[in-house]
Amino acid sequence: AQKITQTQPGMFVQEKEAVTLDCTYDTSDPSYGLFWYKQPSSGEMIFLIYQGSYDQQNATEGRYSLNFQKARKSANLVISASQLGDSAMYFCAMRPSNDYKLSFGAGTTVTVRA
Amino acid sequence: EAGVAQSPRYKIIEKRQSVAFWCNPISGHATLYWYQQILGQGPKLLIQFQNNGVVDDSQLPKDRFSAERLKGVDSTLKIQPAKLEDSAVYLCASSPGTENEKLFFGSGTQLSVL
Repeated sequence: AQKITQTQPGMFVQEKEAVTLDCTYDTSDPSYGLFWYKQPSSGEMIFLIYQGSYDQQNATEGRYSLNFQKARKSANLVISASQLGDSAMYFCAMRPSNDYKLSFGAGTTVTVRA
Repeated sequence: EAGVAQSPRYKIIEKRQSVAFWCNPISGHATLYWYQQILGQGPKLLIQFQNNGVVDDSQLPKDRFSAERLKGVDSTLKIQPAKLEDSAVYLCASSPGTENEKLFFGSGTQLSVL
């Protein structure tokens, strides 16, 4: 079974600054995918970024980058140049390559201050 | 491309009543998921369909919850009878069904059981 841990329940960040959201995971599967989703107050889950366990380079998507440390089982999300619209709940999720079940962490609330 | 459609958006019922939620996934997506998200927590998978067959329903409380996927397209999730602890947002998601594909989520149905 997979376990995803997000230890930061809430974070504040100043507009235009960077913020790092922590995520650690535990799995015995040799191949897996890591995902980050954003959930604004409207409730919809928005896909942000994906990292495969065998990818050699850290994933980047615009202002989002993933700091993937496989040996430490860590997949931290970095949001650069924060904007007010980044205020939301952020979830780390993982799925083994041998099935389609996506398991989520408890989430981190990010509040961007002007 | 149309997204995942869910209805209703909100539902308020009394305990012991019945309720049903509907989901229309993205056209052509083979895999459909129902997640339960209790306030302040990450989504928890209830059931996963591959076409019209159930892949995983290990966390579905089968004494009161049921789900079906008609002709491998639309899906309905039912709760009968509802309990207070069923108050949550019910998220539907779909994916093409290939390895490590991201999930596309609907806006969810917010259920309040009084």
